Amino acid sequence: RKEVEQDPGPFNVPEGATVAFNCTYSNSASQSFFWYRQDCRKEPKLLMSVYSSGNEDGRFTAQLNRASQYISLLIRDSKLSDSATYLCVSPWGGDNTDKLIFGTGTRLQVFP
Amino acid sequence: GAGVSQSPSNKVTEKGKDVELRCDPISGHTALYWYRQSLGQGLEFLIYFQGNSAPDKSGLPSDRFSAERTGGSVSTLTIQRTQQEDSAVYLCASSSWPADTQYFGPGTRLTVL
Repeated sequence: RKEVEQDPGPFNVPEGATVAFNCTYSNSASQSFFWYRQDCRKEPKLLMSVYSSGNEDGRFTAQLNRASQYISLLIRDSKLSDSATYLCVSPWGGDNTDKLIFGTGTRLQVFP
Repeated sequence: GAGVSQSPSNKVTEKGKDVELRCDPISGHTALYWYRQSLGQGLEFLIYFQGNSAPDKSGLPSDRFSAERTGGSVSTLTIQRTQQEDSAVYLCASSSWPADTQYFGPGTRLTVL
């Protein structure tokens, strides 16, 4: 099983739609997680941190399910500007607790 | 404040040449990471520096790749005898402490002809 696994998509949704992505992780000892956003040909930028059961920031909600070892990102009222690749990130708490493991990303395309 | 900077932004080189990529992390950040991203692919971890500890080189794809971090600040990634498959965007990130939020530089786009 990959350390962090995401559906690559693409998810094609109309403006105003609600869309959700899931990400599974293999290390049950991981405590904190992140969602990063990467625009085409740009560097990744932090979208949200998830330290406990979840986090909400405006239209974005991240939830953590420790029992099933997945985190989700929910985007409500999608905007054209939400089109990007969303990277799920988990710390690797194995031999090296200092490394963050990035998923390969889920691509979202919002159309008018 | 100043973010992570990288230079050059673009580098075109011929197969077999050596290249050096530079990363200037956010001031005060003790952790520094190098990643590689090929077109349409995810981030591939290369190497990680934390303070004065020995770097985690577990992601370096071959012995042609090396990196150093001088004075706990600026880092240089060196690729010797470049190959066409080394063509990618090389991203540097820093964080204030391990496993915390990473801030990325704009990357260096390397093209090996």
